[in-house]
Amino acid sequence: DQQVKQNSPSLSVQEGRISILNCDYTNSMFDYFLWYKKYPAEGPTFLISISSIKDKNEDGRFTVFLNKSAKHLSLHIVPSQPGDSAVYFCAASRAAAGNKLTFGGGTRVLVKP
Amino acid sequence: DTGVSQNPRHKITKRGQNVTFRCDPISEHNRLYWYRQTLGQGPEFLTYFQNEAQLEKSRLLSDRFSAERPKGSFSTLEIQRTEQGDSAMYLCASSPPGGVPWTQYFGPGTRLLVL
Repeated sequence: DQQVKQNSPSLSVQEGRISILNCDYTNSMFDYFLWYKKYPAEGPTFLISISSIKDKNEDGRFTVFLNKSAKHLSLHIVPSQPGDSAVYFCAASRAAAGNKLTFGGGTRVLVKP
Repeated sequence: DTGVSQNPRHKITKRGQNVTFRCDPISEHNRLYWYRQTLGQGPEFLTYFQNEAQLEKSRLLSDRFSAERPKGSFSTLEIQRTEQGDSAMYLCASSPPGGVPWTQYFGPGTRLLVL
């Protein structure tokens, strides 16, 4: 039972353009959502998060949007840079369940110079 | 402020051997989580501690797996009688005390290969 899904395994974008990564979830009890970036042979690096009581959170080039009715969140990266090339994971958690993270399968992003 | 550290970074072992991994969380982080990641998949939750208490274990954690966090500081994850299916990246994360929600910060992982 995959509670968090990232349906696009890969994304290619030109440097300077916008990258949009999507994530869907099924468990309406999730109350916190996070995006992590992962380079090969390294652990995930926290990027940005959003509480279920909000619909948007922005941090520099990164913006996360949450649509609770659609159980959908997205990560926008503007402008995309070659150093953004990595695998991006969305994750969801519930405070009442110890905040353990449930991850999607990841989206590999390639930013072309 | 040092991040989460994990040792060893790589481990190759033969099937049937026991292995132990260590995780040192960020200081003052009272929650510590273990995850496992296989190729092409997202990390999957294994277990977590609040201070020295192990509060939850995933069904993925068979009887061959045991985790400890003595004195609420570092944690160890031991796998007994390893199997080839145990080959994966084992990730540790920690999060600080405080109000909801908590962000988890990950270590570099230990990559295990069982031959």
